[in-house]
This record gives sequence, structure tokens and C-alpha cells, in this order.
Amino acid sequence: QSALTQPPSASGSPGQSVTISCTGTSSDVGGYNYVSWYQQHPGKAPKLMIYEVTKRPSGVPDRFSGSRSGYTASLTVSGLQAEDEADYYCSSYAGNNNYVVFGGGTKLTVL
Amino acid sequence: QVQLQESGPGLVKPSETLSLTCTVSGGSISSYYWSWIRQPPGKGLEYIGYINYSGSTNYNPSLKSRVTISVDTSKNQFSLKLSSVTAADTAVYYCARVGSGYSYGSYYYYYMDVWGKGTTVTVSS
Repeated sequence: QSALTQPPSASGSPGQSVTISCTGTSSDVGGYNYVSWYQQHPGKAPKLMIYEVTKRPSGVPDRFSGSRSGYTASLTVSGLQAEDEADYYCSSYAGNNNYVVFGGGTKLTVL
Repeated sequence: QVQLQESGPGLVKPSETLSLTCTVSGGSISSYYWSWIRQPPGKGLEYIGYINYSGSTNYNPSLKSRVTISVDTSKNQFSLKLSSVTAADTAVYYCARVGSGYSYGSYYYYYMDVWGKGTTVTVSS
């Protein structure tokens, strides 16, 4: 069982927006501004999409945005494109044991 | 730009020690923290641990008793050893560079911004 809870699947049509949630506790998501999101296509390594809850690394389209409310962080993908179909993982600094925890992952399908 | 490449045996026998090396190219290993992440077949990502150039480490508590991460700055490499392996340790193992945030006088190492391609390790007799 993963430390952070994500829905197993999400979907949307091209051009639409979809939001993926990531729920933790006061010891991780709710306690620190250190949440990150990763995109993983089949057979490939994960790619960093969001860090520090809302920041995008250079090269990541601004269609990807992050937010947080309480113990739940969210990744929103706007203007869905076919290439956005992938698995998405959230991650957070976990202060109780001073390490990194991941969510179980969400499979995003572009209909 | 910085590139990472994992290397090591693809098959390890149960109860033996898994050993992998990550070679960093395009940059110095001395400037960042470096991590190992794994992904069992069909499952999610699991943090194993990280190390910095001076050898300071951080491990996942669930693996801490079996994990050793070390660094060789002369070769620009860092390594993973996982002892007493079982079939549950079968996974794709990734090495990655670690990024940090700074607040209230402390650094927090928590995101992976450059990843290797991963190497598959199977535990089987």
C-alpha cells in the first residue's frame, strides 16, 4: 500500500482538462511545500513535471499545473493531447521519517 | 546535459546481494544528491534512498536494514547494494539526481529531476 493515495485511473477527451488528486497526511503533503509529480510513458523512465507543489521545470508545457489544498495535492492537465496519455505519480517529502514517499500512480487515458 | 546510466547483473539469486552502479556523465557528481528508485513489474515507484558526494545517506525505513548506497567521486559513480534479496525485489531500478527545497534554515531533498533509463533486475534461482 502506497503512502500517498491516488485514483487508479482518469480520463478525458482531447482539448479537455483533467485533474488527478494525491492525498496524504500532515506529515507529508499537508505539512510541506515539497510535492512533485512525474509522468511515465510505458517502458520509459519517469519525467519530472511539477516540483514544489506548483513549479514547472524548464521544457514542461504550461498545460500542466499543480496545486494543493490541505492534505490533497492535484495535477491538472489542460488542453489534453494524445501524448499526455501516461501514468502519473505524485511524491512528497515525508517529515516523520525524513524521506520520500510516492503515490500509487494514476493511469491517464485520452479518449 | 547530465546523463545517468545504470549497470549491473540482470539476474540475482534469492538470499544474495543485488549490486548496481550508476555512472554520471556531463556533470560532476560532487554538486548534487543522487538517488535510487525502483518499480516492480506493473506496480508503482518506490524510493530506496539517496547519497551526496561526501557519503551522507538517507534510506527508506522499510528497506534500511538491507540497503547500502555508496559514492565514488573519482569515477563519478554511485552504487546500490541490497542484501538478502527475494522475488519481491524484482523490479526496474532507476538512478536519479535529487533536487531540493530550502525553508526555515534547512534543505529538503525530495524530487528527482534527471533519471537514468533504468535496469531490470530479476531475483530467481
